[in-house]
Amino acid sequence: GAGVSQSPRYKVAKRGQDVALRCDPISGHVSLFWYQQALGQGPEFLTYFQNEAQLDKSGLPSDRFFAERPEGSVSTLKIQRTQQEDSAVYLCASRATGVSDQPQHFGDGTRLSIL
Amino acid sequence: AQSVTQPDIHITVSEGASLELRCNYSYGATPYLFWYVQSPGQGLQLLLKYFSGDTLVQGIKGFEAEFKRSQSSFNLRKPSVHWSDAAEYFCAVALQPNTGNQFYFGTGTSLTVIP
Repeated sequence: GAGVSQSPRYKVAKRGQDVALRCDPISGHVSLFWYQQALGQGPEFLTYFQNEAQLDKSGLPSDRFFAERPEGSVSTLKIQRTQQEDSAVYLCASRATGVSDQPQHFGDGTRLSIL
Repeated sequence: AQSVTQPDIHITVSEGASLELRCNYSYGATPYLFWYVQSPGQGLQLLLKYFSGDTLVQGIKGFEAEFKRSQSSFNLRKPSVHWSDAAEYFCAVALQPNTGNQFYFGTGTSLTVIP
């Protein structure tokens, strides 16, 4: 596609519910990233995929967070048993190659609010 | 520790005035350097990047940035600000040579433009 697409744009959930956030990267992009952006902060790295392989998940804050990219294109970030501190904007980015000399292209994010 | 610092949390300038946003990094070697802009409710848009060569790089929307190795800085500039430039600006670095996820953001500078 023309850009990175994320859905839903907004998600409200009650504490304890599970949520799933979707990312459609730019077609053909090898790398995919998930970031968490708290209010007034810069994006914080969560996890990174190269094709279908999850090469780095060191930024996931707890085992309640799970990400997958089974066919090397669309990715889903799942948060189980949500808590209020999970409220943030979740950004997805894709990159053409697996090397850092290419910029990351960002989606508009999913704003998650946990009540 | 490795870090990206944007010393100015918020800047206000008059429309038509010049702008400089500061960014300093702390790494062992020269990283790849980026500036992104984020409008409210939107994802991050790449303004410009520096990998090597000419230390003054030109970007979109009339922005430029200068890499100064001696100061570990990559400041963003614009000669004449437009009201539409009001947004959040993020400096980011990626380590080189590098593959993968090492992509770090500063905490951002919020720009307000007054008529």
